[in-house]
Amino acid sequence: GAGVSQSPRYKVAKRGQDVALRCDPISGHVSLFWYQQALGQGPEFLTYFQNEAQLDKSGLPSDRFFAERPEGSVSTLKIQRTQQEDSAVYLCASSLDAGTGHGQYFGPGTRLTVT
Amino acid sequence: KQEVTQIPAALSVPEGENLVLNCSFTDSAIYNLQWFRQDPGKGLTSLLLIQSSQREQTSGRLNASLDKSSGRSTLYIAASQPGDSATYLCAVKFTGGGNKLTFGTGTQLKVEL
Repeated sequence: GAGVSQSPRYKVAKRGQDVALRCDPISGHVSLFWYQQALGQGPEFLTYFQNEAQLDKSGLPSDRFFAERPEGSVSTLKIQRTQQEDSAVYLCASSLDAGTGHGQYFGPGTRLTVT
Repeated sequence: KQEVTQIPAALSVPEGENLVLNCSFTDSAIYNLQWFRQDPGKGLTSLLLIQSSQREQTSGRLNASLDKSSGRSTLYIAASQPGDSATYLCAVKFTGGGNKLTFGTGTQLKVEL
């Protein structure tokens, strides 16, 4: 079946621009996560949704970062006034139900470069 | 602080060799542990998921073990092949840490002909 998809795959933004990254989870998966991966590092947690509810946003690095999942399916991660330190790969993962021990399945990521 | 460490950071082996990748975690109160593979410029592919009540999981040439009391997991790869070359990441879901995964920095594996 179809896995997690993300778009765009690559995004170049000028410093100060706003960007929106999209994630389509596996159909039927109620849990959705966003992670940020810097070069040579493991992914770092950003935020987590259970259906449409954002249950944990403790990893969002600043108030410039905002995520939503209004209908409990597709999610968008928005970064306002991008800075160079925002350059990273943004990974989306979904899970059948993370609260019951199911594994997480990742999309290919969006590589964001801020110039 | 709940942390995950992977050693070594990089490993190069000849084709056909059996190898072990190590993962350690600072808090034994875990819900589950997941091993992933990441190819350059790609996302993460889930390899094995071990629940806290399990000691090991196997898939083909891969075997992952879990020892909660010592805070360790190992990924054993049998008869390595050049196609196994990738970065291997260990991720832990800690009890009381929400549902997020905490990742190590990975082991970059190169299997040479």
